[in-house]
Amino acid sequence: AQSVAQPEDQVNVAEGNPLTVKCTYSVSGNPYLFWYVQYPNRGLQFLLKYITGDNLVKGSYGFEAEFNKSQTSFHLKKPSALVSDSALYFCAGRYYGGATNKLIFGTGTLLAVQP
Amino acid sequence: DTEVTQTPKHLVMGMTNKKSLKCEQHMGHRAMYWYKQKAKKPPELMFVYSYEKLSINESVPSRFSPECPNSSLLNLHLHALQPEDSALYLCASSQDKRTLAKNIQYFGAGTRLSVL
Repeated sequence: AQSVAQPEDQVNVAEGNPLTVKCTYSVSGNPYLFWYVQYPNRGLQFLLKYITGDNLVKGSYGFEAEFNKSQTSFHLKKPSALVSDSALYFCAGRYYGGATNKLIFGTGTLLAVQP
Repeated sequence: DTEVTQTPKHLVMGMTNKKSLKCEQHMGHRAMYWYKQKAKKPPELMFVYSYEKLSINESVPSRFSPECPNSSLLNLHLHALQPEDSALYLCASSQDKRTLAKNIQYFGAGTRLSVL
């Protein structure tokens, strides 16, 4: 079965420290992977995507993600966390199944950045 | 402009009411989606419209009825809902369903629905 996993329900990091939010995937075909962020009482905002090309993908708000095919991972990273980065982060992958292409979401990781 | 607008922001309804949620985008996107999201959970896909035609119905109960009057508008008609239907309902759009994976889905802020 195709799936996207986020093994950590919550990640705590001090402001100014680097952050990593983990994501692993199991999808058919070429992996198309996305990161979204959700602030309280808001919709999801797109951060970045991997389709093909460089394994290091740069996105919005200083975030980047590293695609690792051998480890089937797509971890989200930022060199220096801000308190304003505190939010719910979702990793998503393309569900490949005939005409029913859609996104499979991970369960989400709550990022808490302490001042 | 990457805005998807959803109205109303909040809605409280009884189990016998009929109400509608509205979603609008002016990005020229031809694929539009309805999702249901419970607190701190990932969005669950409900419906997908592609070129104003319903292309995916994820076995959603008939008390939810989608409608796509034109390429910019998406409605979700609600009737005889249950308390467990209380959730955040998100609308999204993307350029084209057939290249869904390559195209970003843009989400609205959602309608927070409470069913009493």
